[in-house]
Amino acid sequence: EAGVAQSPRYKIIEKRQSVAFWCNPISGHATLYWYQQILGQGPKLLIQFQNNGVVDDSQLPKDRFSAERLKGVDSTLKIQPAKLEDSAVYLCASSSLEGGGARDTQYFGPGTRLTVL
Amino acid sequence: AQSVTQLGSHVSVSEGALVLLRCNYSSSVPPYLFWYVQYPNQGLQLLLKYTSAATLVKGINGFEAEFKKSETSFHLTKPSAHMSDAAEYFCAVTPRSGNTGKLIFGQGTTLQVKP
Repeated sequence: EAGVAQSPRYKIIEKRQSVAFWCNPISGHATLYWYQQILGQGPKLLIQFQNNGVVDDSQLPKDRFSAERLKGVDSTLKIQPAKLEDSAVYLCASSSLEGGGARDTQYFGPGTRLTVL
Repeated sequence: AQSVTQLGSHVSVSEGALVLLRCNYSSSVPPYLFWYVQYPNQGLQLLLKYTSAATLVKGINGFEAEFKKSETSFHLTKPSAHMSDAAEYFCAVTPRSGNTGKLIFGQGTTLQVKP
């Protein structure tokens, strides 16, 4: 079974530029998560999708971050414009149960490391 | 709000020694509890999870964790460390009710294994 795929793996941009990350979850997984992991910290949830609907985006900085999951499969996370403090690893995860049950295992991709100069 | 505390940002052990990584949660109702491992430049991999009445949970790679409600703890152990265990370890929780699966992570513990 193929795992969660993410691209690019690394990205370096200057502040105020835009950037987009792509995630393809495990086939058949209804729930998709984007986490932000700042160096030295644990991951923090940015947004959660169930199929193509948003379940939780309470910690997404909506003035600069946006995400979509068209057709309920792959997803794109965008930052526009980027700030220095956005430097982090962006992790995508997926889980199989409808509703993203609390007991369910989340499978993580390798992440995209973003450096904002 | 739910939170997770991992005591010790860095733990160093000798190869063959006991590994003990500490995790405490803050919640009056025990949440679901997870341990994840992260190797350099890789995503997180689930080691084990506590979701039922069994308080001792066995995971992959010889790791296990014991849920202690009275201590609000879920410490991770392994009897004998291998060099390949060197990685970052994260404890995470999610509330049992009113939650859609969002994981709340601790700050992580880096495990160093010395030869």
